[in-house]
Amino acid sequence: KAGVTQTPRYLIKTRGQQVTLSCSPISGHRSVSWYQQTPGQGLQFLFEYFSETQRNKGNFPGRFSGRQFSNSRSEMNVSTLELGDSALYLCASSSLQTGRSSTDTQYFGPGTRLTVL
Amino acid sequence: AQSVTQLGSHVSVSEGALVLLRCNYSSSVPPYLFWYVQYPNQGLQLLLKYTTGATLVKGINGFEAEFKKSETSFHLTKPSAHMSDAAEYFCAVSASGGYQKVTFGTGTKLQVIP
Repeated sequence: KAGVTQTPRYLIKTRGQQVTLSCSPISGHRSVSWYQQTPGQGLQFLFEYFSETQRNKGNFPGRFSGRQFSNSRSEMNVSTLELGDSALYLCASSSLQTGRSSTDTQYFGPGTRLTVL
Repeated sequence: AQSVTQLGSHVSVSEGALVLLRCNYSSSVPPYLFWYVQYPNQGLQLLLKYTTGATLVKGINGFEAEFKKSETSFHLTKPSAHMSDAAEYFCAVSASGGYQKVTFGTGTKLQVIP
């Protein structure tokens, strides 16, 4: 079974541009979550999608948005990039919407490293 | 509100020694707790999670953690460290019960000395 894939793996953009990152979950998984990891702020939850609906969102400005398609693939978009958006963006998928089940496991992709110049 | 404190940003142990990574949480409701591991230049991997029920949780790679409500702690342990355990470990808490809106700790880098 293929794991979570993220494209592209590396990206360089300049301030003011916008960027779209893609995440393909494990086959059959309907929940996709996105996280940002920076040296200064650490790991932070961005948002979570389940069956094409955004269920939860972290404390990020409206420049950060996302969507999920009917095949569960998800994209996140960052508009008007700022230097502080440079980060590793991680995507994760799970079969259930919540982690309450002791048997459900969340799987992460390798991440997309975004550099904003 | 929820938060996690990981004591010690760097921990060094000898190969074969006990691994103990400390995590204390704060949550206004019964928490769901997670431990993740991140190897260099890789994504996260879920090691284990506490949902409800048994307070001693066993995870992958020989790790386990015990939920202690009275101490608001969820420390990660492994009886015998391997060189392959060298990585960064993150404790996380979720009040909602899910992977959503999870709050991460600042991480602990584990060094294993041969």
